[in-house]
Amino acid sequence: KNQVEQSPQSLIILEGKNCTLQCNYTVSPFSNLRWYKQDTGRGPVSLTIMTFSENTKSNGRYTATLDADTKQSSLHITASQLSDSASYICVVSDRGSTLGRLYFGRGTQLTVWP
Amino acid sequence: EADIYQTPRYLVIGTGKKITLECSQTMGHDKMYWYQQDPGMELHLIHYSYGVNSTEKGDLSSESTVSRIRTEHFPLTLESARPSHTSQYLCASSPREGTEAFFGQGTRLTVV
Repeated sequence: KNQVEQSPQSLIILEGKNCTLQCNYTVSPFSNLRWYKQDTGRGPVSLTIMTFSENTKSNGRYTATLDADTKQSSLHITASQLSDSASYICVVSDRGSTLGRLYFGRGTQLTVWP
Repeated sequence: EADIYQTPRYLVIGTGKKITLECSQTMGHDKMYWYQQDPGMELHLIHYSYGVNSTEKGDLSSESTVSRIRTEHFPLTLESARPSHTSQYLCASSPREGTEAFFGQGTRLTVV
């Protein structure tokens, strides 16, 4: 069964600190992995997208890593800001269907305190 | 910022009413999707479309229906709303498989 598991479920950090969010998946055959940021009551916004051959990708203070062998990904946030408070969702796409089906994790709810 | 729009943002309606949630994108994407998301839960695909006059049901059974008469427009309709339909509905589009999906802001539906 294709699944995406994220940890931790929630996380509280102080402003300026770094944090790392985890994503494990069982989706096969793998096409790509994306990290989205979703503010409360809004739609998800893409942070990074990585294919099988990429093992790291950065977008400003966000750095995503991918280990396709162990089917794990992480999202590292550097020097956190209050505006980073949001849900971070790991999304994996398969290539075994014409749809390119997206499998969503439940997200990690990050709260940044001043 | 992605050019995909959903209206209304918030909607509170009575049981038994018919409603249509609007979704429009100006990027010319062929593929469009509707997802349902409850608080703290993952997104579930309820409908998708590959292009004009193409619609399919997603993984999560839904009593809603969709239409795709124009590339840019993908409305979702509930003929008779019930409290169990209370949820957030997110519309998305992408140019092709394996590429980024762009999401709208969502419609928060409450049926009383």
